[in-house]
Amino acid sequence: NAGVTQTPKFQVLKTGQSMTLQCAQDMNHNSMYWYRQDPGMGLRLIYYSASEGTTDKGEVPNGYNVSRLNKREFSLRLESAAPSQTSVYFCASDGTYEQYFGPGTRLTVT
Amino acid sequence: AQTVTQSQPEMSVQEAETVTLSCTYDTSESDYYLFWYKQPPSRQMILVIRQEAYKQQNATENRFSVNFQKAAKSFSLKISDSQLGDAAMYFCAYRSLLRDNYGQNFVFGPGTRLSVLP
Repeated sequence: NAGVTQTPKFQVLKTGQSMTLQCAQDMNHNSMYWYRQDPGMGLRLIYYSASEGTTDKGEVPNGYNVSRLNKREFSLRLESAAPSQTSVYFCASDGTYEQYFGPGTRLTVT
Repeated sequence: AQTVTQSQPEMSVQEAETVTLSCTYDTSESDYYLFWYKQPPSRQMILVIRQEAYKQQNATENRFSVNFQKAAKSFSLKISDSQLGDAAMYFCAYRSLLRDNYGQNFVFGPGTRLSVLP
């Protein structure tokens, strides 16, 4: 049982480049989330998907897009990366009580 | 909207000693969940302990226990017999049970970095 998986684990981009972060869960959860983690700010919600086929903005959606490809997969896309998007990104899915997290992606935009 | 505050950005404890991490939250809801997550240097978010607001009894998981004060909206984590492997960032989190708040039902505090001194 892999839980929540994310790829890649590390990425360096130049300003203006694009990339997609992939996330998949094998726990049959309906809801999935993308967070970013910055020092001193905890985890902030970027986008979420309450169920397959639906997505909604969270607290900090600007500069990002998402796709809920199916019940298992939820991807996050940066169309034109900016240095302000340097962060650690986590994908999560909703269990009965807690959220389950992927291992995170450390993204650096230079 | 709910908020979660952790007033201690950093804490340290001597190995084998006890440490308490503080968390307060703000909500108008009567039923919710509270969590402590641990994030070691590996970055993986690991659930430490969960508390249901309707339960008066404080949750305990081995060396980890909480002091849940619902009226004061306080949820502290006590780590007993601290071990080197306890060194990590600890996040307090609140989960709303309101369905219409479903997408943003998790709120995290800013975290407390715990160092364990040998």
